[in-house]
Amino acid sequence: GAVVSQHPSRVICKSGTSVKIECRSLDFQATTMFWYRQFPKQSLMLMATSNEGSKATYEQGVEKDKFLINHASLTLSTLTVTSAHPEDSSFYICSASRDRRSQYFGPGTRLLVL
Amino acid sequence: AQTVTQSQPEMSVQEAETVTLSCTYDTSENNYYLFWYKQPPSRQMILVIRQEAYKQQNATENRFSVNFQKAAKSFSLKISDSQLGDTAMYFCAFMREGNNDMRFGAGTRLTVKP
Repeated sequence: GAVVSQHPSRVICKSGTSVKIECRSLDFQATTMFWYRQFPKQSLMLMATSNEGSKATYEQGVEKDKFLINHASLTLSTLTVTSAHPEDSSFYICSASRDRRSQYFGPGTRLLVL
Repeated sequence: AQTVTQSQPEMSVQEAETVTLSCTYDTSENNYYLFWYKQPPSRQMILVIRQEAYKQQNATENRFSVNFQKAAKSFSLKISDSQLGDTAMYFCAFMREGNNDMRFGAGTRLTVKP
């Protein structure tokens, strides 16, 4: 149990376009979902925390108008990178939690903005 | 703010030998959780082991065990009988109880040599 999926696994887009990444908890209801960003050979940096039905809480330095997060149901959260630029290229990982004791991670999405 | 420090950027070990990865953290909280995650080349985050701070007994999972020293704020991971499949990045993580907000160390790249 506790499987989290992400879609797409890889996306290439042109500068100025928007990209949506989906995160789904497949076999449990996630009260909270998290979005991380990971640059090559670096650690995971928390971008935002979202609870179902409420606005996401963004970490300091993360532009909420740039990275739109929607947590419409207990099994789905989406991250939309608006007007993407090459510096937004990165590996984005979501995680989901059904309690306050651990998180379950998705397989990640590699975004490349040309 | 909680910080997690992994002072070993890279480690290597011979197959079948034992290796210990270090992790220290800084917090004023009394109740929290500590984790070790493995990130292989696929970049999927895999939970290796979890420790509740209120438990004095060190957590173990087959070949993986921890040495949790709460007073010293130290949480090292011991991998026994290392296998080639253990080659990966290993991240130490801290989560405050009731918060669900996970913070990661910089990671240690472990290479198991045949």
